[in-house]
Amino acid sequence: QSALTQPASVSGSPGQSITISCTGTSSDVGGYNYVSWYQQHLDKAPKLMIYDVSNRPSGVSNRFSGSKSGNTASLTISGLQAEDEADYYCCSYRSISPVVFGGGTKVTVL
Amino acid sequence: QVQLVESGGDVVKPGGSLRLSCAASGFTLSDYYMNWIRQAPGKGLEWVSYITGGGSTKYYADSVKGRFTISRDNAKNSLYLQMNSLTAEDTAVYYCARWELAAAGPSFDLWGRGTLVTVSS
Repeated sequence: QSALTQPASVSGSPGQSITISCTGTSSDVGGYNYVSWYQQHLDKAPKLMIYDVSNRPSGVSNRFSGSKSGNTASLTISGLQAEDEADYYCCSYRSISPVVFGGGTKVTVL
Repeated sequence: QVQLVESGGDVVKPGGSLRLSCAASGFTLSDYYMNWIRQAPGKGLEWVSYITGGGSTKYYADSVKGRFTISRDNAKNSLYLQMNSLTAEDTAVYYCARWELAAAGPSFDLWGRGTLVTVSS
């Protein structure tokens, strides 16, 4: 079972916006509006940032937003802050196996 | 306090078995699908298994199918993962995670801190 494809790293300066992509197929990302995103700081448990493509859980900053086009989902972080430096993972429902994660993207704040 | 606490991680030899537990508190466990998700050292997240609220339906990743068994005891507020025929590829931090009620798709809104399983001779 191959993982969803994410860039290994993305960087940006404080205050800038960055976008992390998550590419799958019509059997997962493209076929369902069931993409979620997680933030993981070093040696910590992951934190849910976005669910069902574009919904933010209570307590998550509105600087985080999600979208999808075709087989690619995206997480955008606007007004980048030092505390946003972390690993980010996408996740999707997949028809042949209920859950699949992306390989992860390391976000660096310059 | 709403939380999940995993236990049972250990060092085990290849071919060995281990049972992980996850204690839930602060919410009604039976209302939620529950999951095991693992992360090998320095690697990404890998979903392992989930079980529905009443325990009647279970799914597994191909990598663990036939070797791992997920179960739950809602009366004891606990989730379990029985792991058999372990290999070095099973070495990872194992997290239990709750499936967000408001979400239609897989979305994990509460995670434990994880328990480390090391498979080594």
